[in-house]
Amino acid sequence: GNSVTQMEGPVTLSEEAFLTINCTYTATGYPSLFWYVQYPGEGLQLLLKATKADDKGSNKGFEATYRKETTSFHLEKGSVQVSDSAVYFCALSDTSGGSNYKLTFGKGTLLTVNP
Amino acid sequence: DTGVSQNPRHKITKRGQNVTFRCDPISEHNRLYWYRQTLGQGPEFLTYFQNEAQLEKSRLLSDRFSAERPKGSFSTLEIQRTEQGDSAMYLCASSRTGMNTEAFFGQGTRLTVV
Repeated sequence: GNSVTQMEGPVTLSEEAFLTINCTYTATGYPSLFWYVQYPGEGLQLLLKATKADDKGSNKGFEATYRKETTSFHLEKGSVQVSDSAVYFCALSDTSGGSNYKLTFGKGTLLTVNP
Repeated sequence: DTGVSQNPRHKITKRGQNVTFRCDPISEHNRLYWYRQTLGQGPEFLTYFQNEAQLEKSRLLSDRFSAERPKGSFSTLEIQRTEQGDSAMYLCASSRTGMNTEAFFGQGTRLTVV
């Protein structure tokens, strides 16, 4: 079956530090890949996505590239801010009838950014 | 449209009682999903609907759990004879059908069984 393995946290960084959160996956077929973020007290929000190999998703300074050869989708940001403190989830989608549907999530990585 | 809405936000119940949660998806979304999230874990898929049809149920969904989506709009998730192991955050999400679609999540219902 499908699975997602992501770097265990917690991760603590100083403001303006470089961030990498590793994510690897196992899947049949050609899934789409996602990073979701959960800020304290809020629901899951889509941060970025990539739908095919070599695609790069980007949003709010975060980037991740769909690497089929290494089955990876690592999240990076060049300079984190205190407001980036949140839990980050890597996920992949199954496809049914040619469309994305259910998501398989990693366990999440708690990021804390200190001033 | 304010997004996916879930009610209640919190529910405390005694073991053995039945509980029901409601999810109102984004109005034009024909797919609706339920997930469960326990502390320190990512969300786990429970079930999904395309319009009013329940198309898939996870093995996590024991026979004490039932979900409905009458008329293809809002959905309810009922847990009968709750157990302490049912304590979790129950998340609802909705999406359109099609490639490259995004699932939008509600804020969840936190269930505590005492």
